[in-house]
Amino acid sequence: SSELTQDPAVSVALRQTVRITCQGESLRQNFAAWFQQRPGQAPKLVIYGKNNRPSGIPDRFSGSRSGNTASLTIIGVQAEDEADYYCNSRDSSGNQWVFGGGTKLTVL
Amino acid sequence: QVQLVESGGGVVQPGGSLRLSCAASGFLFNSYAMHWVRQAPGKGLEWVAVISYDGNSQNYADSVKGRFTISRDKSENTLFLQMNNLRVDDTAVYYCAKDIRFLEWLHPDYWGQGTLVAVSS
Repeated sequence: SSELTQDPAVSVALRQTVRITCQGESLRQNFAAWFQQRPGQAPKLVIYGKNNRPSGIPDRFSGSRSGNTASLTIIGVQAEDEADYYCNSRDSSGNQWVFGGGTKLTVL
Repeated sequence: QVQLVESGGGVVQPGGSLRLSCAASGFLFNSYAMHWVRQAPGKGLEWVAVISYDGNSQNYADSVKGRFTISRDKSENTLFLQMNNLRVDDTAVYYCAKDIRFLEWLHPDYWGQGTLVAVSS
């Protein structure tokens, strides 16, 4: 299986813009899915595919991909966006899935 | 609305077995692949296993291959994870998750609240 690499922690001021990245060779063939996990809660899907948001996810969340790097961008960060964010994709074989190590987002 | 409710977690000794269940409702269970994902205390998410919508195909993480078995009961809308030869590093909250894609598998979308498995002597 392949690996997905994320920065362990990122901080951003309230109402500013933040980009969380995820690197891995499997991302050249597969789009990343992004999950938000608040403390004590189950993960929640926030971005999938090329740049799709499930129903109920604010449009300040967006996704993109370039080469082997997927990005989750939040424009106008809110206090409630403080959480752990995980990227996920199938590996190069297509038979296993892998998560990035997670990025802890702190809103200042 | 989609609901996934896990059960069956608990404390077990190393080498022991446990069977987790996930009761699904609010969607066409027999049309979606299902995943198990786990999270060790204070750690990140780790994908464990997936089963196809019809139950005919399964894939596992290398860390559990040969010890864990994923299965599903179409009539009961229930997903299972049989865990044998448990190790201390299997200690985690185990989540079941529905796949996003109809009749195929792509990645999880909806998740249950999880059930805690603690392997300790």
